[in-house]
Amino acid sequence: DAGITQSPRHKVTETGTPVTLRCHQTENHRYMYWYRQDPGHGLRLIHYSYGVKDTDKGEVSDGYSVSRSKTEDFLLTLESATSSQTSVYFCAISDGSQSGSQHGYTFGSGTRLTVV
Amino acid sequence: GESVGLHLPTLSVQEGDNSIINCAYSNSASDYFIWYKQESGKGPQFIIDIRSNMDKRQGQRVTVLLNKTVKHLSLQIAATQPGDSAVYFCAETSGAGSYQLTFGKGTKLSVIP
Repeated sequence: DAGITQSPRHKVTETGTPVTLRCHQTENHRYMYWYRQDPGHGLRLIHYSYGVKDTDKGEVSDGYSVSRSKTEDFLLTLESATSSQTSVYFCAISDGSQSGSQHGYTFGSGTRLTVV
Repeated sequence: GESVGLHLPTLSVQEGDNSIINCAYSNSASDYFIWYKQESGKGPQFIIDIRSNMDKRQGQRVTVLLNKTVKHLSLQIAATQPGDSAVYFCAETSGAGSYQLTFGKGTKLSVIP
Protein backbone atom coordinates (compact mmCIF):
# COMPACT_ATOMS: atom_id res chain seq x y z
CA ASP A 1 0.00 0.00 0.00
CA ALA A 2 1.83 3.07 -1.30
CA GLY A 3 5.21 1.49 -0.53
CA ILE A 4 5.08 1.51 3.26
CA THR A 5 4.96 -1.59 5.43
CA GLN A 6 4.98 -2.09 9.17
CA SER A 7 6.07 -5.16 11.07
CA PRO A 8 4.91 -6.96 13.01
CA ARG A 9 1.19 -6.33 12.53
CA HIS A 10 0.37 -7.69 15.96
CA LYS A 11 2.48 -8.29 19.04
CA VAL A 12 1.89 -9.27 22.63
CA THR A 13 4.74 -8.68 25.03
CA GLU A 14 5.36 -8.70 28.75
CA THR A 15 5.88 -5.65 30.92
CA GLY A 16 9.53 -4.71 31.20
CA THR A 17 10.67 -6.28 27.96
CA PRO A 18 12.13 -4.28 25.06
CA VAL A 19 10.13 -4.17 21.84
CA THR A 20 11.10 -2.90 18.40
CA LEU A 21 8.64 -2.02 15.66
CA ARG A 22 9.78 -1.58 12.12
CA CYS A 23 8.62 0.74 9.37
CA HIS A 24 9.92 0.15 5.87
CA GLN A 25 9.31 2.37 2.84
CA THR A 26 10.14 1.99 -0.82
CA GLU A 27 9.25 5.59 -1.78
CA ASN A 28 12.59 7.18 -0.88
CA HIS A 29 10.74 9.82 1.14
CA ARG A 30 12.81 12.01 3.40
CA TYR A 31 10.40 12.25 6.35
CA MET A 32 9.18 9.37 8.50
CA TYR A 33 6.97 9.50 11.58
CA TRP A 34 5.72 7.26 14.35
CA TYR A 35 2.28 7.88 15.84
CA ARG A 36 0.26 6.06 18.44
CA GLN A 37 -3.50 5.89 18.36
CA ASP A 38 -5.60 5.50 21.48
CA PRO A 39 -9.34 5.88 22.07
CA GLY A 40 -10.19 9.47 22.95
CA HIS A 41 -6.79 10.78 21.86
CA GLY A 42 -6.67 10.34 18.13
CA LEU A 43 -3.18 10.06 16.64
CA ARG A 44 -0.29 11.48 18.62
CA LEU A 45 3.23 11.94 17.34
CA ILE A 46 5.93 9.96 19.15
CA HIS A 47 9.07 10.67 17.13
CA TYR A 48 9.90 11.69 13.62
CA SER A 49 12.87 11.66 11.28
CA TYR A 50 13.89 14.21 8.67
CA GLY A 51 16.77 12.19 7.27
CA VAL A 52 19.20 9.39 7.95
CA LYS A 53 20.34 9.64 11.58
CA ASP A 54 18.27 12.82 12.00
CA THR A 55 15.42 12.34 14.45
CA ASP A 56 13.46 14.42 16.92
CA LYS A 57 10.87 14.00 19.63
CA GLY A 58 7.17 14.41 19.23
CA GLU A 59 4.36 15.01 21.66
CA VAL A 60 4.55 11.66 23.51
CA SER A 61 8.17 10.52 23.26
CA ASP A 62 8.81 9.37 26.85
CA GLY A 63 9.65 5.65 26.98
CA TYR A 64 10.37 5.46 23.25
CA SER A 65 13.49 5.72 21.13
CA VAL A 66 13.95 5.63 17.39
CA SER A 67 16.68 4.99 14.88
CA ARG A 68 17.07 5.62 11.21
CA SER A 69 20.28 4.17 9.82
CA LYS A 70 19.05 4.18 6.22
CA THR A 71 16.41 6.05 4.29
CA GLU A 72 13.99 3.16 3.99
CA ASP A 73 13.81 2.01 7.61
CA PHE A 74 12.59 3.76 10.74
CA LEU A 75 12.62 1.71 13.93
CA LEU A 76 10.63 2.44 17.06
CA THR A 77 11.88 0.87 20.30
CA LEU A 78 10.07 0.61 23.58
CA GLU A 79 12.99 0.30 25.93
CA SER A 80 11.00 -1.32 28.74
CA ALA A 81 7.40 -1.87 27.76
CA THR A 82 4.63 -0.78 30.12
CA SER A 83 0.89 -1.40 30.00
CA SER A 84 0.33 2.27 29.15
CA GLN A 85 2.12 1.61 25.87
CA THR A 86 -0.57 -0.80 24.75
CA SER A 87 -1.77 0.93 21.62
CA VAL A 88 -1.94 0.86 17.86
CA TYR A 89 1.21 2.30 16.30
CA PHE A 90 1.23 3.90 12.88
CA CYS A 91 4.15 4.84 10.75
CA ALA A 92 3.81 7.60 8.16
CA ILE A 93 6.05 8.89 5.40
CA SER A 94 6.19 12.23 3.62
CA ASP A 95 8.16 13.73 0.77
CA GLY A 96 7.83 17.17 2.33
CA SER A 97 5.73 18.49 -0.51
CA GLN A 98 2.77 19.19 1.79
CA SER A 99 0.77 17.01 -0.49
CA GLY A 100 -1.65 14.73 1.30
CA SER A 101 -2.06 12.50 -1.68
CA GLN A 102 -0.80 8.97 -1.77
CA HIS A 103 2.53 10.33 -2.88
CA GLY A 104 2.74 12.93 -0.16
CA TYR A 105 1.83 12.02 3.40
CA THR A 106 0.96 8.32 3.66
CA PHE A 107 0.28 5.96 6.54
CA GLY A 108 1.09 2.32 7.07
CA SER A 109 -1.48 -0.25 8.18
CA GLY A 110 -0.47 -0.15 11.82
CA THR A 111 0.94 -2.44 14.51
CA ARG A 112 -1.31 -3.48 17.37
CA LEU A 113 0.84 -3.85 20.48
CA THR A 114 -0.44 -5.33 23.71
CA VAL A 115 1.68 -5.17 26.85
CA VAL A 116 0.60 -7.64 29.53
CA GLY B 1 -1.08 24.19 23.61
CA GLU B 2 -2.62 24.61 20.22
CA SER B 3 -4.66 21.76 18.91
CA VAL B 4 -7.10 20.56 16.32
CA GLY B 5 -10.48 19.26 17.44
CA LEU B 6 -13.87 18.18 16.20
CA HIS B 7 -17.35 19.41 17.09
CA LEU B 8 -19.19 16.07 16.83
CA PRO B 9 -17.76 12.73 17.90
CA THR B 10 -20.45 10.64 16.12
CA LEU B 11 -22.66 11.22 13.12
CA SER B 12 -25.38 8.98 11.70
CA VAL B 13 -26.79 9.70 8.25
CA GLN B 14 -29.21 8.00 5.92
CA GLU B 15 -27.76 6.48 2.78
CA GLY B 16 -28.02 8.96 -0.06
CA ASP B 17 -28.05 12.01 2.19
CA ASN B 18 -25.19 14.47 2.43
CA SER B 19 -22.83 14.36 5.41
CA ILE B 20 -21.03 17.26 7.01
CA ILE B 21 -18.17 16.70 9.42
CA ASN B 22 -16.74 19.68 11.24
CA CYS B 23 -13.35 20.51 12.69
CA ALA B 24 -12.05 23.46 14.68
CA TYR B 25 -8.41 24.38 14.83
CA SER B 26 -6.67 26.87 17.05
CA ASN B 27 -3.28 27.41 15.42
CA SER B 28 -3.66 30.50 13.27
CA ALA B 29 -0.29 29.74 11.68
CA SER B 30 -1.52 26.45 10.19
CA ASP B 31 -1.20 26.59 6.45
CA TYR B 32 -2.20 23.15 5.27
CA PHE B 33 -5.06 20.86 6.24
CA ILE B 34 -5.92 17.30 5.38
CA TRP B 35 -8.96 15.11 5.88
CA TYR B 36 -8.35 11.42 6.47
CA LYS B 37 -10.69 8.46 6.50
CA GLN B 38 -9.89 5.49 8.71
CA GLU B 39 -11.70 2.20 8.39
CA SER B 40 -11.57 -0.39 11.10
CA GLY B 41 -8.18 -2.11 11.28
CA LYS B 42 -6.56 0.14 8.71
CA GLY B 43 -4.37 3.19 8.66
CA PRO B 44 -5.70 6.67 7.83
CA GLN B 45 -6.28 7.24 4.13
CA PHE B 46 -6.05 10.59 2.44
CA ILE B 47 -9.37 12.05 1.28
CA ILE B 48 -8.73 15.67 0.39
CA ASP B 49 -6.50 18.54 1.37
CA ILE B 50 -6.61 22.31 1.29
CA ARG B 51 -4.09 25.08 1.69
CA SER B 52 -4.70 28.18 3.73
CA ASN B 53 -4.84 30.40 0.64
CA MET B 54 -8.02 28.61 -0.45
CA ASP B 55 -11.49 28.49 1.09
CA LYS B 56 -12.95 25.59 -0.86
CA ARG B 57 -11.74 22.55 -2.67
CA GLN B 58 -13.73 19.81 -4.34
CA GLY B 59 -12.95 16.21 -5.02
CA GLN B 60 -15.00 13.25 -6.07
CA ARG B 61 -18.16 13.47 -3.92
CA VAL B 62 -16.22 15.39 -1.25
CA THR B 63 -15.76 19.08 -0.60
CA VAL B 64 -13.60 20.73 2.02
CA LEU B 65 -14.40 24.23 3.23
CA LEU B 66 -11.97 26.37 5.16
CA ASN B 67 -13.01 29.42 7.17
CA LYS B 68 -9.88 31.05 8.48
CA THR B 69 -11.79 33.80 10.23
CA VAL B 70 -13.29 31.35 12.72
CA LYS B 71 -10.62 28.66 12.29
CA HIS B 72 -13.07 26.06 11.05
CA LEU B 73 -12.86 23.22 8.56
CA SER B 74 -15.63 21.07 7.25
CA LEU B 75 -15.81 17.97 5.11
CA GLN B 76 -18.92 17.49 3.02
CA ILE B 77 -19.67 14.08 1.55
CA ALA B 78 -22.36 14.05 -1.12
CA ALA B 79 -24.78 11.13 -1.50
CA THR B 80 -23.31 9.22 1.42
CA GLN B 81 -22.83 5.51 0.82
CA PRO B 82 -22.41 2.56 3.22
CA GLY B 83 -18.74 2.44 2.22
CA ASP B 84 -18.31 5.91 3.69
CA SER B 85 -18.83 4.52 7.20
CA ALA B 86 -15.55 5.15 8.99
CA VAL B 87 -13.81 7.53 11.37
CA TYR B 88 -12.82 10.83 9.84
CA PHE B 89 -9.92 12.95 11.07
CA CYS B 90 -8.84 16.43 10.22
CA ALA B 91 -5.16 17.25 10.51
CA GLU B 92 -3.04 20.33 10.20
CA THR B 93 0.62 20.95 9.64
CA SER B 94 2.49 22.28 12.62
CA GLY B 95 5.95 23.66 12.23
CA ALA B 96 7.88 24.23 9.08
CA GLY B 97 10.49 21.76 7.92
CA SER B 98 9.35 18.63 9.69
CA TYR B 99 5.84 18.67 8.23
CA GLN B 100 4.39 17.09 11.34
CA LEU B 101 0.65 16.70 11.40
CA THR B 102 -1.54 17.45 14.41
CA PHE B 103 -4.74 15.42 14.42
CA GLY B 104 -8.17 15.95 15.82
CA LYS B 105 -9.78 13.16 17.83
CA GLY B 106 -12.01 11.94 15.00
CA THR B 107 -15.68 11.69 14.09
CA LYS B 108 -17.32 8.35 13.51
CA LEU B 109 -19.67 8.39 10.55
CA SER B 110 -22.32 5.68 10.42
CA VAL B 111 -24.40 5.31 7.29
CA ILE B 112 -27.88 3.88 7.74
CA PRO B 113 -28.95 1.77 4.72
